[in-house]
Formats: sequence, C-alpha cells, structure tokens
Amino acid sequence: DTGVSQNPRHKITKRGQNVTFRCDPISEHNRLYWYRQTLGQGPEFLTYFQNEAQLEKSRLLSDRFSAERPKGSFSTLEIQRTEQGDSAMYLCASSFRQGISGRWETQYFGPGTRLLVL
Amino acid sequence: AQSVAQPEDQVNVAEGNPLTVKCTYSVSGNPYLFWYVQYPNRGLQFLLKYITGDNLVKGSYGFEAEFNKSQTSFHLKKPSALVSDSALYFCAVRDMGATSGTYKYIFGTGTRLKVLA
Repeated sequence: DTGVSQNPRHKITKRGQNVTFRCDPISEHNRLYWYRQTLGQGPEFLTYFQNEAQLEKSRLLSDRFSAERPKGSFSTLEIQRTEQGDSAMYLCASSFRQGISGRWETQYFGPGTRLLVL
Repeated sequence: AQSVAQPEDQVNVAEGNPLTVKCTYSVSGNPYLFWYVQYPNRGLQFLLKYITGDNLVKGSYGFEAEFNKSQTSFHLKKPSALVSDSALYFCAVRDMGATSGTYKYIFGTGTRLKVLA
C-alpha cells in the first residue's frame, strides 16, 4: 500500500496524559498537513510542512500541541496534557509540489487517528 | 477569506436515480475546488478537483462536478446512484491566504448521502 499511513488508528487516554501520533506520507511527497475533525464537522487545518520546515500553524494549535517532521519524511503530532476537548479524529495528508504556484497539487489523506480523552 | 458551504446535511436518493450534492464557495481570486468522500472510520478519499478549464469535471467512481462561476457553485453529481455511494461528502477550497505559499484546504461541514435500495 503506497498511500498515507497513520499510527495508531485509535488511542484512548486519560486527561492529562501525553499522546503522540505518527504519519507516513506518500513517498516523495514533500508537503505534509495535519487536520483535526470533530463529529459532524469538516476537517480543520492544524499545521503544514514543506520538507522538514513547518511553514504554517493554525491558531487551533495551542501550546500543548507540537508537530515535527525531522527528516522531511514521516511526521509526529504530540499533544501534551490532553483535555477532553482534544477528542477528535486527527488526519494527515500529503501532496507533491508541482510548479511554482502549486495550483495542481492534490492532498491525499491517511485513515486518521481517532483520539478519545477520558 | 475563502469558504465553502454545503447547505444540506443529508441527501436521500433512490438507487439508480441521479444525485446532486450541493456546494457553494466564496473566494478572492481564482477558486481551486475539491470534492472528497469519507466512509465510516476512514480518512478522506479524493474524488475530483477544479483548477481551470472545462466547467464539467469528471472524477473517480463515475462522479462529476459542475463549476458555475456566476452562481459560485461546484455541485457534485452522478447520473445513477449506487447503494455503495452512501457516505459523507466534503467540498473544499484551497485557501490562497493573504500571502503566497498557503496551501491548506478549507472544508465544508459535509453532506451525508444515503442511497436507498
């Protein structure tokens, strides 16, 4: 399977604990995105990397959230001191930069990690 | 700011009938529009996109979408619905942002499609 993969697929944790999710993008995709999706809503952008550089962060990404893409390949999203409001599906997507404007790019999504904070 | 609206929470259609899932957009500049489908407990699967060119865009699984600039719409269509098309459908627009180099998508709230046998 050469699609975007995410691990774990499900995570249950207690409030106050730290959690880390991993995303492996489609190989050779140089852009990687994290989104969060809550029940009944569309995905909301969290952050985006081009290679290893984190180029944009949403205001949704509080200080408790941190994301890395150390070698420009896989990425991790860590949530510290989880709160019940963090319960959501965390989606990763990747794309390949095409051209100067990148207008032809398409983001391909992984299956998501569903987080439940008790 | 860019945005999309999906006015229907749910659409019901009989198997074999044509289906339409509505999306309207608001953008400054040229719109880059996308449709994705989401099955239960799964990520989003890309269906089709409009960047430029023909107003009728053909995509995966027999879906197509019609871009209408005057009505700022990008409705998803299929001539003959299948029960297996039942899923959650999202319209998205690429956010051009205030500066160049912003590539995130802004999604609608989704429309649940139910195809009845």
